[in-house]
Amino acid sequence: DQQVKQNSPSLSVQEGRISILNCDYTNSMFDYFLWYKKYPAEGPTFLISISSIKDKNEDGRFTVFLNKSAKHLSLHIVPSQPGDSAVYFCAASENSGGSNYKLTFGKGTLLTVNP
Amino acid sequence: KAGVTQTPRYLIKTRGQQVTLSCSPISGHRSVSWYQQTPGQGLQFLFEYFSETQRNKGNFPGRFSGRQFSNSRSEMNVSTLELGDSALYLCASSLGQTPLNEQYFGPGTRLTVT
Repeated sequence: DQQVKQNSPSLSVQEGRISILNCDYTNSMFDYFLWYKKYPAEGPTFLISISSIKDKNEDGRFTVFLNKSAKHLSLHIVPSQPGDSAVYFCAASENSGGSNYKLTFGKGTLLTVNP
Repeated sequence: KAGVTQTPRYLIKTRGQQVTLSCSPISGHRSVSWYQQTPGQGLQFLFEYFSETQRNKGNFPGRFSGRQFSNSRSEMNVSTLELGDSALYLCASSLGQTPLNEQYFGPGTRLTVT
């Protein structure tokens, strides 16, 4: 059973526009969420995270929104740049900040930003 | 500072064989986690080692095992390989007592089982 779901396998946007990547989760014990970006032949790179005590976290062009009641989070990239083209993974964990390093990942969304 | 390194980068094995993959964490990092990435299942957590002890474990069969050495380098072993074990195996390192976002992934080992 997939506890973290990214229902869009791919997304294509124009340079300069907003990219919105979505993620849903089913495990109510998840309390820490992360987004990773992955280029081919490289490991995932951390982008941004959010704790369940917040509903928004911003870092430059990247903003993550968390809706706990809907068990939904989204990553907004504004403005989108061609270099943002990559696979984006949503991940979740229980007991954030503790010794639980077990991440549950979604299957990823391939973002393509067209010049 | 050097990143996480994984060896080998590519590997081809036959069904029934066993394989050992290696991960060298960033200097000073004491936690190493392993993940399996397949097209059908995405990234799945295998296990995490901290100071030579397995601290967390995912839902994989006992054919998958790992260990960590005193220098924090880690190995994972898969015995009696099956076709479904073909995947990209990623390891990630961290100091081990920091937030999850301070976890750095290696480039992975691509294992093909024929």
